[in-house]
Amino acid sequence: AQKITQTQPGMFVQEKEAVTLDCTYDTSDQSYGLFWYKQPSSGEMIFLIYQGSYDEQNATEGRYSLNFQKARKSANLVISASQLGDSAMYFCAMRDIYGNKLVFGAGTILRVKS
Amino acid sequence: KAGVTQTPRYLIKTRGQQVTLSCSPISGHRSVSWYQQTPGQGLQFLFEYFSETQRNKGNFPGRFSGRQFSNSRSEMNVSTLELGDSALYLCASSLYSGTSGANVLTFGAGSRLTVL
Repeated sequence: AQKITQTQPGMFVQEKEAVTLDCTYDTSDQSYGLFWYKQPSSGEMIFLIYQGSYDEQNATEGRYSLNFQKARKSANLVISASQLGDSAMYFCAMRDIYGNKLVFGAGTILRVKS
Repeated sequence: KAGVTQTPRYLIKTRGQQVTLSCSPISGHRSVSWYQQTPGQGLQFLFEYFSETQRNKGNFPGRFSGRQFSNSRSEMNVSTLELGDSALYLCASSLYSGTSGANVLTFGAGSRLTVL
């Protein structure tokens, strides 16, 4: 069974600084995908970044990058130059190739301070 | 283009009643999945529909059911509501079901159900 662990319930970061949100995963599958989503207080889940298990390069999307260490089974999200609008809940999730069942971690609440 | 639309956004029901939630996916998306989010259990997968067929089902009782129509719109139904069914129900659509590529799931804003 797949499992996602996010060990940081909450994080604070100063505006304009970088922050790393941790995510470790467990799976026996060889092929899988890892996602990060952002959930503001409004409730909608916003896709941030994706990393495939066979992707050799770390994924980047604007200010978001994914630090993928396959041997350690970790997929940490790095947000550079934090903005006040980045304050939200962040979820790491995993999917296998057979369907669209996402397994989510418990999430990390990020608060950006001015 | 229009995103994923969920209706209603908020609703209040009493124990024993049933509820139907609707999800209109992004145009062209054929997969619709449903998730339940509660403070205690977090985000949990309910089921996925692709081309009107249920592809996968999470670990929920039979009171939770769904269907998908030929235009890819989906509904989920919860019968005999219990207090513990109070949650945010999120719908997500994507082009395909699975695949090894990104095949990103785009979520709607959710339907917040309160059971009294």
